[in-house]
Amino acid sequence: EAGVAQSPRYKIIEKRQSVAFWCNPISGHATLYWYQQILGQGPKLLIQFQNNGVVDDSQLPKDRFSAERLKGVDSTLKIQPAKLEDSAVYLCASSLDRGLAAEQYFGPGTRLTVT
Amino acid sequence: GQQVMQIPQYQHVQEGEDFTTYCNSSTTLSNIQWYKQRPGGHPVFLIQLVKSGEVKKQKRLTFQFGEAKKNSSLHITATQTTDVGTYFCAGPGSSNTGKLIFGQGTTLQVKP
Repeated sequence: EAGVAQSPRYKIIEKRQSVAFWCNPISGHATLYWYQQILGQGPKLLIQFQNNGVVDDSQLPKDRFSAERLKGVDSTLKIQPAKLEDSAVYLCASSLDRGLAAEQYFGPGTRLTVT
Repeated sequence: GQQVMQIPQYQHVQEGEDFTTYCNSSTTLSNIQWYKQRPGGHPVFLIQLVKSGEVKKQKRLTFQFGEAKKNSSLHITATQTTDVGTYFCAGPGSSNTGKLIFGQGTTLQVKP
């Protein structure tokens, strides 16, 4: 079974530039999550999709971050404009359903450096 | 808001020594999950605990869920260099959407 795919793996941009990340979840997984992991911290949920609908985006900085999952499969996360504090690893995860017992499968992440 | 805290933040042990990390939640949890993240890698699911007082074992790893379902622990017996990494506990958010609140993790270093 193929895992969660993410690209790019690394990205370096200057502040105020824009950047986009792509995620393809495990086939058949209805729920997709985007996390931000700052060095030395645990992953923090940015947004959660169930199929192509948003379930939770309470911690997404909506003035600069946006995400979509138009066909209920792959997803993109965009930052525009980027700030220095956005430097982090952006992890995509998926699960079979959104139940409280759902195990989450993580992709390799995109390491973003904002200079 | 809801918080999940882990201690210690770092632990250095000699190979063969035991290791324990503790997880505490500010709220009662319906379940708790544990993940391992190797250096440079991504979190990988280890186990889920659901019942009050539950104890589960995976080879040298023992996981416990507290009676009050607000705390949990992971104990590794006779650590090996392959145990190196950061161990995270995670509990469901209060919104019942499947969202996970992660602790800050405990990073284990094992000296051979």
